[in-house]
Amino acid sequence: GQNIDQPTEMTATEGAIVQINCTYQTSGFNGLFWYQQHAGEAPTFLSYNVLDGLEEKGRFSSFLSRSKGYSYLLLKELQMKDSASYLCAVRASGGSYIPTFGRGTSLIVHP
Amino acid sequence: DAGITQSPRYKITETGRQVTLMCHQTWSHSYMFWYRQDLGHGLRLIYYSAAADITDKGEVPDGYVVSRSKTENFPLTLESATRSQTSVYFCASSTFDTNTEAFFGQGTRLTVV
Repeated sequence: GQNIDQPTEMTATEGAIVQINCTYQTSGFNGLFWYQQHAGEAPTFLSYNVLDGLEEKGRFSSFLSRSKGYSYLLLKELQMKDSASYLCAVRASGGSYIPTFGRGTSLIVHP
Repeated sequence: DAGITQSPRYKITETGRQVTLMCHQTWSHSYMFWYRQDLGHGLRLIYYSAAADITDKGEVPDGYVVSRSKTENFPLTLESATRSQTSVYFCASSTFDTNTEAFFGQGTRLTVV
């Protein structure tokens, strides 16, 4: 089976930097996704990591360490609109390519 | 409209009734998924389909039925709705490539009374 852990909730200040961690235990590994979900809306794709290292996309970066079963999403220059849930999803290797989602981290950005 | 659409957006039904949630995508994606999202549980996979006429169970399939006679449609049926099936349901689709993300519909908020 798969086990994916994220903090339930985080708070941060507008303009600051926040790091949302995700640890996972899977039977094999074939990629990790981060999604953003605003309240009442559908999840939208943020990033994908399959190799170790940092992927940067504007204000958002995602890091992966396969040996440690660990990823983080880094949000810089926080804006109020970044208040949302951030979902970590891991795709196991072999067979189907279905990602399994963690429970999500609710980020609250305050002025 | 291009993309992935779900209908209805909101539904209230009574315990014991059959209800079908619709999902339609215009990209011809191979994979389609149904998830339910509940507080404290995140997104849990109900059923998925790798292609037309191929479906398989996910983590929480009990009480649900799916079909996929056409690539673009993936309806989810609750055969006899129960209060525990009150949830937000998301349909998603993706290509067969391992490095591509899933695209989600806007969700259906289902309340079983």
